[in-house]
Amino acid sequence: GENVEQHPSTLSVQEGDSAVIKCTYSDSASNYFPWYKQELGKGPQLIIDIRSNVGEKKDQRIAVTLNKTAKHFSLHITETQPEDSAVYFCAASTDSWGKLQFGAGTQVVVTP
Amino acid sequence: KAGVTQTPRYLIKTRGQQVTLSCSPISGHRSVSWYQQTPGQGLQFLFEYFSETQRNKGNFPGRFSGRQFSNSRSEMNVSTLELGDSALYLCASSGPSGRLETQYFGPGTRLLVL
Repeated sequence: GENVEQHPSTLSVQEGDSAVIKCTYSDSASNYFPWYKQELGKGPQLIIDIRSNVGEKKDQRIAVTLNKTAKHFSLHITETQPEDSAVYFCAASTDSWGKLQFGAGTQVVVTP
Repeated sequence: KAGVTQTPRYLIKTRGQQVTLSCSPISGHRSVSWYQQTPGQGLQFLFEYFSETQRNKGNFPGRFSGRQFSNSRSEMNVSTLELGDSALYLCASSGPSGRLETQYFGPGTRLLVL
């Protein structure tokens, strides 16, 4: 089955700097790659996603890149703010419904 | 628009008991997925229901079961609880076609098994 690895497990950045989280997946049939943000006491929230027919997608300060050949995708957060502090999860799916395979998560801490 | 609601939010049970968790999806959403979140195993997919039918299933033992009602509300049941079942159980709804791009998670039910 699909296996998703996520690095780093923790990331500390100064406010205003950029943060990058990387994930690799094993199943070449995976075609949907979302990123979720989870704050304390809340469920994960979808922040950006990308399909396998697209190499890059951007939404304001957040961007995701996908390299299908290398089977890895990354989340880029620019101009980080304290409210970006949370746990971020990458995930992959081989279809458009139901089953997501999640990475282990990255604890991001943005210090003022 | 109200979000995904899960009840109860916290639950304490003892080994051997059974438990039922409830999830009310966002209005108009027809798909409900369940995930187990633990510090050791992370987020793991349990199952997904769409229009009252189980459409996807994860690799959990048969003690874990679920169902979906005609109004799209879903319940999951865990029988013969084990200490390792202590976790945050998350429900997510997607809809109306159930595509993952429209998925929203609820706040979860935290289950502690003693």
